[in-house]
Amino acid sequence: DGGITQSPKYLFRKEGQNVTLSCEQNLNHDAMYWYRQDPGQGLRLIYYSQIVNDFQKGDIAEGYSVSREKKESFPLTVTSAQKNPTAFYLCASSNPKTSGSTGEQYFGPGTRLTVT
Amino acid sequence: AQSVAQPEDQVNVAEGNPLTVKCTYSVSGNPYLFWYVQYPNRGLQFLLKYITGDNLVKGSYGFEAEFNKSQTSFHLKKPSALVSDSALYFCAVRVNSGGYQKVTFGTGTKLQVIP
Repeated sequence: DGGITQSPKYLFRKEGQNVTLSCEQNLNHDAMYWYRQDPGQGLRLIYYSQIVNDFQKGDIAEGYSVSREKKESFPLTVTSAQKNPTAFYLCASSNPKTSGSTGEQYFGPGTRLTVT
Repeated sequence: AQSVAQPEDQVNVAEGNPLTVKCTYSVSGNPYLFWYVQYPNRGLQFLLKYITGDNLVKGSYGFEAEFNKSQTSFHLKKPSALVSDSALYFCAVRVNSGGYQKVTFGTGTKLQVIP
């Protein structure tokens, strides 16, 4: 998981509350990503950011928001509008400049969010 | 649209035997293909990638993968399985999509190596 930290590892919230998941990287990577992982569904892209102060919606952005004020940080907020927020959330980064534009991603250890 | 299929939810293999985890893909243009491994409650770790060139790609922990363009496959292999190889394996494909290089992941295959 080296170089990317996510906190907390486990998070519990009541339905209707917003919650923010932290993601920090010290790899000097330009691009960062948020994925959601559910059993049997693989990884689904929520948001991505290719550069500071810019981010784009992924495949399942509804009910989520992000910011990218610093290169190192890409926090994800799960809002009360997300209908089924309980999942394992993974943050990743990549740097096409150093990986020859092939862009393998480096993942954090994940945050397991449970909403009841 | 691009897609990745991992047809087996689980693969069981005896320790010391060769293992294969299957992956097929569908993409317009030339694919970049990746394998990642995930241990329980952890993030994914990059294993290997195919970009161009030799169809047999070698990666971390003794794993290798064979790119077959005619069969649109990228199967992960290891000559001799270890119990510690037991984990969830993901295949992924990437092509250029405008300014962003979208990555599509398969649904994962659970590898169980039996002592």
